This record gives sequence, structure tokens and C-alpha cells, in this order.
Amino acid sequence: ETGVTQSPTHLIKTRGQQVTLRCSSQSGHNTVSWYQQALGQGPQFIFQYYREEENGRGNFPPRFSGLQFPNYSSELNVNALELDDSALYLCASSLGQDEKLFFGSGTQLSVL
Amino acid sequence: QQQVKQSPQSLIVQKGGISIINCAYENTAFDYFPWYQQFPGKGPALLIAIRPDVSEKKEGRFTISFNKSAKQFSLHIMDSQPGDSATYFCAARSTGNQFYFGTGTSLTVIP
Repeated sequence: ETGVTQSPTHLIKTRGQQVTLRCSSQSGHNTVSWYQQALGQGPQFIFQYYREEENGRGNFPPRFSGLQFPNYSSELNVNALELDDSALYLCASSLGQDEKLFFGSGTQLSVL
Repeated sequence: QQQVKQSPQSLIVQKGGISIINCAYENTAFDYFPWYQQFPGKGPALLIAIRPDVSEKKEGRFTISFNKSAKQFSLHIMDSQPGDSATYFCAARSTGNQFYFGTGTSLTVIP
């Protein structure tokens, strides 16, 4: 069984740039959720993708967008980066609406 | 507005002792309450979870106590071990499988 993998592990960008983060879901899982974890805080829900469509979104601006591909892998895109976007971005996969989430190790994004 | 409030922020326990972490919520529509364990450089991993129609759930050394009327739940770690040193997050599930997490508790177990 393959776990959730995320790439890259670390990323440094400057304010105003755009970034794409990638996630491969656990084998057999068709739902991917993205969370932002600021330093010293709990993860905050960004959005969820199920069968290639966004089916839930947290309180994040439209410059946070995503995609899910037919193989259920997913991308998180952030445009016009701001300093406050510096955080650990976590991807979690699940089977449908099953409550058990399996998290990847995250991408640490630093915006300078 | 923090949907799930967690305390304490940090906790130091002697090896063999009991670690207790508390969480409170307001939204009665939450229907699933997991606890996650996170080690440095890793993503959160599901530890144990409970539904609101159950008052207690035990798995090995880990127990969740749930008080629906008080809208509170807690994690008890019995016989705490140095390997339990990690950050613990409570969470609650809303509609659409969206989870709200507490702010985390950093647990240190002293040998």
C-alpha cells in the first residue's frame, strides 16, 4: 500500500510569485483534501477534491486553487504569494467521504 | 473564530504518568472527533477517534472521553512513554468531510 506523497518537501518563493504543490493520494483513495498549517497552529482546511471536482472549500481566497487528475493525484496552486502564505501545506487522502484522513508529510513553503 | 479549542498548549509528563489533553467545541453538527499525533517533519497521523453517541473509547494506552452535553472531549495517555513525545491535535468533522483542528498540544515525556 502506497502512502500519501507530496512534492517538493521544501520551497522558497518571493512575494508575488506563484507556486504549485503536488500530492499523490494513497492507493485506492479518490478524495484529496488540502490543509494549511501555520507555525504553532493546527491544520486549516483549504479545499477538497472528489472525482476531479472541488466539493468543499474553507475560508481561503480565490488565489488558492487546485486540480485533481484522473489518477486522483492533486495540485495546489497559490498565486500572488504573500508573506502570510508561509506555512506547511498538507495533503490528505481518503476514500470518498470516509472520515479517516491519511496525511502526507507536507510541503514547507517559505515566502520571502 | 476557533471552532475547536484545545488546552494545554504544552505538557510535560514523567515517564509512566498520565497525559491529559482537553478540547471543547461549539458546533453541535460535528459528528466525528479524531485525535492526531504529529512528529516533527511529518504529517499528522490518526491516533484514535470517537463519535458523539459514545462516551468513551479506549485503544491500548489511549482513551478518549467524550461529554456531549458539555461539548468537550479529552485524550488520556496512560503509562506515557518518551516515544509519545509529539504534538497532539484534536479535531472535529463538519459537513462535507471538512475537519476543524485545535491549535495543538506539545507533549514531552521525561524519562
